[in-house]
Amino acid sequence: DTGVSQDPRHKITKRGQNVTFRCDPISEHNRLYWYRQTLGQGPEFLTYFQNEAQLEKSRLLSDRFSAERPKGSFSTLEIQRTEQGDSAMYLCASSLFSGEAFFGQGTRLTVV
Amino acid sequence: AQKVTQAQTEISVVEKEDVTLDCVYETRDTTYYLFWYKQPPSGELVFLIRRNSFDEQNEISGRYSWNFQKSTSSFNFTITASQVVDSAVYFCALSENTSGTYKYIFGTGTRLKVLA
Repeated sequence: DTGVSQDPRHKITKRGQNVTFRCDPISEHNRLYWYRQTLGQGPEFLTYFQNEAQLEKSRLLSDRFSAERPKGSFSTLEIQRTEQGDSAMYLCASSLFSGEAFFGQGTRLTVV
Repeated sequence: AQKVTQAQTEISVVEKEDVTLDCVYETRDTTYYLFWYKQPPSGELVFLIRRNSFDEQNEISGRYSWNFQKSTSSFNFTITASQVVDSAVYFCALSENTSGTYKYIFGTGTRLKVLA
């Protein structure tokens, strides 16, 4: 399977706990995006990497959120001190320069 | 400001009917890309089409066709002879070179139900 892979697919956590999600992009893709999608809404942009450089962060990304893409390969998104409002589907996508983005199946986070 | 509007929240059709999903966008850039994605119940966003702002030719791919009109800032999607497997949420998205990221701005989606 050469698509975008995300792990885990589902995560249930207690409020206040930290969680980390992983995204493995399509191998030759230099661009990587994280999006968040809540019920009934379209995906909302969170952050963007070109190779290992994080070039843009949305205002949606509070200081409890951090993303990394070491060596320009896989990426991680960490949420510290989770809140119920963080419950959503977190989507990762990758693309070649200005090409269409291909999305993973997402990680569904539930904060209880 | 960049914005994508999908005014149709939900559409129901009977199998074999044609259906058009509307998309209206706002951008100040002259260079941008428009996309349609399908999100079936499994949740994964499936890429359908990309169109750049300099190419206003309509496109047909099997039962799918797209009508891009810059004059009305619209990029509508038509499914001909709909099938039950077409049931999904469809998203229109805009990508422009804001800050060099080409990040995607999505509409709120249109849920299509095709009834047998």
